[in-house]
Amino acid sequence: DAKTTQPPSMDCAEGRAANLPCNHSTISGNEYVYWYRQIHSQGPQYIIHGLKNNETNEMASLIITEDRKSSTLILPHATLRDTAVYYCIVRPYNNNDMRFGAGTRLTVKP
Amino acid sequence: DSGVTQTPKHLITATGQRVTLRCSPRSGDLSVYWYQQSLDQGLQFLIQYYNGEERAKGNILERFSAQQFPDLHSELNLSSLELGDSALYFCASSVGQTVPHQETQYFGPGTRLLVL
Repeated sequence: DAKTTQPPSMDCAEGRAANLPCNHSTISGNEYVYWYRQIHSQGPQYIIHGLKNNETNEMASLIITEDRKSSTLILPHATLRDTAVYYCIVRPYNNNDMRFGAGTRLTVKP
Repeated sequence: DSGVTQTPKHLITATGQRVTLRCSPRSGDLSVYWYQQSLDQGLQFLIQYYNGEERAKGNILERFSAQQFPDLHSELNLSSLELGDSALYFCASSVGQTVPHQETQYFGPGTRLLVL
């Protein structure tokens, strides 16, 4: 299985863009990149996913490099409520279980 | 609100006991997943059911079992409980397809189990 590497923690100023990197250098051609976040001890919340094209939704943007070895999750205007642990997950097309790593603890500061 | 519900929110029990956690998936979802989150192990996939049948197994102990009922709700049974079973247990659901396929999973709020 492809593995991901994320920084353990990051800070971001409120109102600024939060850019969360993820390295997945061993990703295979049919593997998707998913992002979830977990606020305190709540259930993980789906944010966005992609295969090779950049994706955007109402929550965030996902930028995947051309070689697909890394990606960046962008929260365009971070708020205090975005403080959470963010998980980058690589999933095979035909596999439904998700392997969560340690994630990045994002702290948004006033 | 993901649409996935879990009961109870909190559960306190003693070692050696047996408990049942319940999950109701989002309306229309056929697949249900169970995850365990403990302080030292992080979030771990336990088991998946699709339309009443077991589809995938992860790091689930033999003391644990699950099932999915005809109305698609699922129960996770934990028996002979040990102190180390104290954790958050999350249920997730997805649309579900006949052929295994990566799908977006939506998580419930979890059940916090404390074994004393």
